[in-house]
Amino acid sequence: AQKVTQAQTEISVVEKEDVTLDCVYETRDTTYYLFWYKQPPSGELVFLIRRNSFDEQNEISGRYSWNFQKSTSSFNFTITASQVVDSAVYFCALSQNTGGFKTIFGAGTRLFVKA
Amino acid sequence: DTGVSQDPRHKITKRGQNVTFRCDPISEHNRLYWYRQTLGQGPEFLTYFQNEAQLEKSRLLSDRFSAERPKGSFSTLEIQRTEQGDSAMYLCASSLAPLGSGEKLFFGSGTQLSVL
Repeated sequence: AQKVTQAQTEISVVEKEDVTLDCVYETRDTTYYLFWYKQPPSGELVFLIRRNSFDEQNEISGRYSWNFQKSTSSFNFTITASQVVDSAVYFCALSQNTGGFKTIFGAGTRLFVKA
Repeated sequence: DTGVSQDPRHKITKRGQNVTFRCDPISEHNRLYWYRQTLGQGPEFLTYFQNEAQLEKSRLLSDRFSAERPKGSFSTLEIQRTEQGDSAMYLCASSLAPLGSGEKLFFGSGTQLSVL
């Protein structure tokens, strides 16, 4: 079975603070993919980042960075120097090679960035 | 590339009525998905089409729900005899490659259904 857990329901920060969103996943597959999507108030989910299970190298892309640790089944996402426009709901998601034709999403973390 | 479009954006209906939503995926994407999202939750998978074939349906999709993609282009999702529990955001997404290959989803803005 596959499952994605986002324990943080809401996070509130002040602009320019760094913020980390937590994600823990469960899967029995050895080949899988992890994603972060952003859902602004307009409602449309937008893809942010992706990582496959064979690549634990952590990366930075602009103000976004992620920490993938297979040993703890975690895929945490950090926004550096947050901005008001980062206010949205962020979803961690999982696709696996034998998971059929679907991507499984966590419940989301709502991020408020105050000016 | 005009993105995934959904119509209508909002639908208010009375319990027991039938409703139909439409999704137009990105034109070159042959894979189309329907998801349902309730308040405070992430999207939940409903069904998947590859071209015109419906290849997977979730147990969430009761007999009152039916989805079609007649020519492998746009898709419709119909809910018959709506119930208050059907109130949710219905999201459509499309992809170019299989999700099992790590492909990302492109989402529409959704149809917000309110059943009174």
